[in-house]
Amino acid sequence: KQEVTQIPAALSVPEGENLVLNCSFTDSAIYNLQWFRQDPGKGLTSLLLIQSSQREQTSGRLNASLDKSSGRSTLYIAASQPGDSATYLCAPRGIQGAQKLVFGQGTRLTINP
Amino acid sequence: GAVVSQHPSWVICKSGTSVKIECRSLDFQATTMFWYRQFPKQSLMLMATSNEGSKATYEQGVEKDKFLINHASLTLSTLTVTSAHPEDSSFYICSAVRDSSNQPQHFGDGTRLSIL
Repeated sequence: KQEVTQIPAALSVPEGENLVLNCSFTDSAIYNLQWFRQDPGKGLTSLLLIQSSQREQTSGRLNASLDKSSGRSTLYIAASQPGDSATYLCAPRGIQGAQKLVFGQGTRLTINP
Repeated sequence: GAVVSQHPSWVICKSGTSVKIECRSLDFQATTMFWYRQFPKQSLMLMATSNEGSKATYEQGVEKDKFLINHASLTLSTLTVTSAHPEDSSFYICSAVRDSSNQPQHFGDGTRLSIL
């Protein structure tokens, strides 16, 4: 059974800092891994999708890396802004069963102006 | 813009009422849709996987007679919470994916259900 852990659980930093959010998963048999952000009371917004054959993906100030064999992914946020404040979730998509996503508990990020 | 639309966004109703939530994929055909439940300050818990034209697959511990799922077309899945009680109050979110393992899941904005 896939288990996903995200560290840290919460992070509060001043504006402008570069950040690294960590995600680890126990079953490396995955098709891909998605990073999402969730604003309070809202659904999920997909940030990046990284395939199992890829090492990293970039979108603007966001960069996600994937080390499938060690069960780790990181989300790097450059030059953080107050608008980046949200909960960030990672979710690997398994090969077995219905290819469903398994979510970590998330990292609650606060960027202070 | 949003590729998955979920409706309604907020429901308040009396105990014993049945509530239907719709999930639509707006610009692609979704052979598979997923329904999640989220409690405050917790992560998403998968309730069921919905495939067009077939019965939904429920996760362990989820009552299929309580949470009825219908995936009648490639763009619409519905979740009906039957005879809702206060403990069913939660945030329900759907997602949709194209028929390919390398495609991302797209999520709706969620439905806040409050049972009085």
